[in-house]
Amino acid sequence: DQQVKQNSPSLSVQEGRISILNCDYTNSMFDYFLWYKKYPAEGPTFLISISSIKDKNEDGRFTVFLNKSAKHLSLHIVPSQPGDSAVYFCAASAYRYSGGSNYKLTFGKGTLLTVNP
Amino acid sequence: NAGVTQTPKFRILKIGQSMTLQCAQDMNHNYMYWYRQDPGMGLKLIYYSVGAGITDKGEVPNGYNVSRSTTEDFPLRLELAAPSQTSVYFCASSYDRSTNEKLFFGSGTQLSVL
Repeated sequence: DQQVKQNSPSLSVQEGRISILNCDYTNSMFDYFLWYKKYPAEGPTFLISISSIKDKNEDGRFTVFLNKSAKHLSLHIVPSQPGDSAVYFCAASAYRYSGGSNYKLTFGKGTLLTVNP
Repeated sequence: NAGVTQTPKFRILKIGQSMTLQCAQDMNHNYMYWYRQDPGMGLKLIYYSVGAGITDKGEVPNGYNVSRSTTEDFPLRLELAAPSQTSVYFCASSYDRSTNEKLFFGSGTQLSVL
């Protein structure tokens, strides 16, 4: 049972355009969401996060939107750059329901983003 | 600042062999984790530790053991390697368990069991 779903295995965009990566979840107890970026032969690195008390969080070119009623979040990258080409993982945790711990992150399968020059 | 260091980067094992994947962090983080990533899949939690001497099972612990004798080190032990354990293994750490805390990952160990 996949609780965090990234239904697009890959996405290709032109440099300078917007990249939109989507993530759906099924567990209503999830209340904290993160995006990680992974280059080949490297470990994932934290990109941006959002708590369920917010519907938007922005950090430079990266914005995450959360729609709790639809159990959907998306990562927007504007403008996209070739260096953004990587696998992006969506992750979620049930922080309040785990006794205050976020260690049990549930990851999606990832979306490979390719930004073409 | 090295962050999270994993060794080895690559390893090939025969069925039934044993090995230990090493993980060390120099950020004085209390929390450490082991994940595995199978091809085309997300990361799954194997074991985690909330401090020296304290470990607990994650989602997929069968076939693995861990220990946490120091804050810095969190080795993962495979006792009887099986082909199903062919995967990329990531160690991670975090300082605390606040809502804003994020995980820092090592670069991974690619393990093949043949």
